[in-house]
Amino acid sequence: GDSVTQMEGPVTLSEEAFLTINCTYTATGYPSLFWYVQYPGEGLQLLLKATKADDKGSNKGFEATYRKETTSFHLEKGSVQVSDSAVYFCALSDRDFGNEKLTFGTGTRLTIIP
Amino acid sequence: KAGVTQTPRYLIKTRGQQVTLSCSPISGHRSVSWYQQTPGQGLQFLFEYFSETQRNKGNFPGRFSGRQFSNSRSEMNVSTLELGDSALYLCASRPGRGGYTFGSGTRLTVV
Repeated sequence: GDSVTQMEGPVTLSEEAFLTINCTYTATGYPSLFWYVQYPGEGLQLLLKATKADDKGSNKGFEATYRKETTSFHLEKGSVQVSDSAVYFCALSDRDFGNEKLTFGTGTRLTIIP
Repeated sequence: KAGVTQTPRYLIKTRGQQVTLSCSPISGHRSVSWYQQTPGQGLQFLFEYFSETQRNKGNFPGRFSGRQFSNSRSEMNVSTLELGDSALYLCASRPGRGGYTFGSGTRLTVV
């Protein structure tokens, strides 16, 4: 079945550091890939998405590129801010099999210190 | 444009009781999905409804059920509550296909 493996946390960085959170996936079809962010006490917010190979999703300085050859969708940001502290979830949706539910990774807790 | 609204935000129930959670999707969104989030199991898919029909179901026992009304609002019900049902229950809506928008969730505590 479908699965998502993401980098174990927690991750602690200093403000303005470079961020990478690794995500790899296994899917039977051609999935869409997503990064969601969850702030304390809140639901999930879509951060970015990519629907086909080589697509790059970007939002708020975050980027991720859909790499079919390595089945990866790593999240990057060039200069993190304290406000980026949250839990980040990588997810896929495998629409080609009529099963469009989201399959999530375990989440990576990110803390940015000033 | 109003987002996905889940009520109530917090709920405390006793083992053996049942509970109903409500979700109002974004206007025009016909698909509503439910997810359970726990520290141990992470985010797990419960079910999806589209135009009042259950389109997909996750691996949860029959105690978990749901429904969708003609106005796309959805409810999920958990009967005979167990301690392990304590979780954040998230609802997400989307127009037929496309990106999911999540609500803030209902935090259920079973004591």
